[in-house]
Amino acid sequence: AQKITQTQPGMFVQEKEAVTLDCTYDTSDPSYGLFWYKQPSSGEMIFLIYQGSYDQQNATEGRYSLNFQKARKSANLVISASQLGDSAMYFCATSISSGSARQLTFGSGTQLTVLP
Amino acid sequence: KAGVTQTPRYLIKTRGQQVTLSCSPISGHRSVSWYQQTPGQGLQFLFEYFSETQRNKGNFPGRFSGRQFSNSRSEMNVSTLELGDSALYLCASGGDPAYNEQFFGPGTRLTVL
Repeated sequence: AQKITQTQPGMFVQEKEAVTLDCTYDTSDPSYGLFWYKQPSSGEMIFLIYQGSYDQQNATEGRYSLNFQKARKSANLVISASQLGDSAMYFCATSISSGSARQLTFGSGTQLTVLP
Repeated sequence: KAGVTQTPRYLIKTRGQQVTLSCSPISGHRSVSWYQQTPGQGLQFLFEYFSETQRNKGNFPGRFSGRQFSNSRSEMNVSTLELGDSALYLCASGGDPAYNEQFFGPGTRLTVL
């Protein structure tokens, strides 16, 4: 079984500053994927970034980067130069990269508020 | 490419009724997964369909069922609705299998009165 822990229920950041959202995971599978999704108040889950367990380098997508520390089972999301539109709920998720059945296990989420 | 579409977006039902939700995945995607999101339980996996076959199922009662058609569109059905079934139901379209990526639709918000 897989488990995702997000210990920050809420975070505040000043506009244009960087912010780190924490995520730790627990899985016994040797091959897995780590995801971050953004969920605005409208409800849609927006894919942000992906990290494979065998990827040597940290994933980056524009202002988003994933700080992957495999030994610590940590996959923190870093948002650089925060914008007001970044205010949303952020979910960390993991999946087994079995190539067959797909199932994401989500954390409880972090509510990020960007202050002007 | 068009994104994942879900219909209806909002639904109000009463206890004991049944409901059917629809999801159309991204063109070319053959995997469709369903998730339930509630304030108390968070995001929970319901089931996944691939090429018209249920490939994986979460821990939900038999009142929750689904199916997938040959064009990859999927429906989920909830029978004998309970108040606790009020939730946002999200559908995810399966992309590159090498990355297990999933792209979500806007969701259907179900309210059971």
